[in-house]
Amino acid sequence: GIQVEQSPPDLILQEGANSTLRCNFSDSVNNLQWFHQNPWGQLINLFYIPSGTKQNGRLSATTVATERYSLLYISSSQTTDSGVYFCAVRIQGGSEKLVFGKGTKLTVNP
Amino acid sequence: DVKVTQSSRYLVKRTGEKVFLECVQDMDHENMFWYRQDPGLGLRLIYFSYDVKMKEKGDIPEGYSVSREKKERFSLILESASTNQTSMYLCASSSSGAPTYEQYFGPGTRLTVT
Repeated sequence: GIQVEQSPPDLILQEGANSTLRCNFSDSVNNLQWFHQNPWGQLINLFYIPSGTKQNGRLSATTVATERYSLLYISSSQTTDSGVYFCAVRIQGGSEKLVFGKGTKLTVNP
Repeated sequence: DVKVTQSSRYLVKRTGEKVFLECVQDMDHENMFWYRQDPGLGLRLIYFSYDVKMKEKGDIPEGYSVSREKKERFSLILESASTNQTSMYLCASSSSGAPTYEQYFGPGTRLTVT
């Protein structure tokens, strides 16, 4: 089946720093989503980005579908950005399910 | 805004009990999903439904069943709860096609089976 790999697995930053999270996937996809899981466990939708670039405030994401990777950029990080970031993909021509990476655990210290 | 709600945030049940987890979405989505999340194993799909009364097994359906009698509601049933079903359960919904396949998740239910 499709492999979804996220890096780094853990990231510790000081408030105000910038960071880049990476997601590599092994097959063609028609859905790629980035989520932030908050301390209470809810998955918050950040981006729906099967291709191209999107920005939302301090966050932006880029997916290069032909090269099978996506990047999530966090600028001027805040303590509230802490949590686990997941990348998930839907295989082109496959079932409706999302396949998740293992996540990147981000800790932003004050 | 899409809203997916789950009946309980926290639930404690005893081994052998029948457990119902309910999920409701308000966006008229065709697809609904149940995942479980465990440390070290990530999120795994249990079952999904692409229409009323239709269901398909996911990656780990053993020990679970589902019911979808109405479009907006999808129930996960643990026929006889066991301690290895202690987990975080997440429901999601999505439209079945264009312009987006985006999935939206509920707040989750932390189930403890003792």
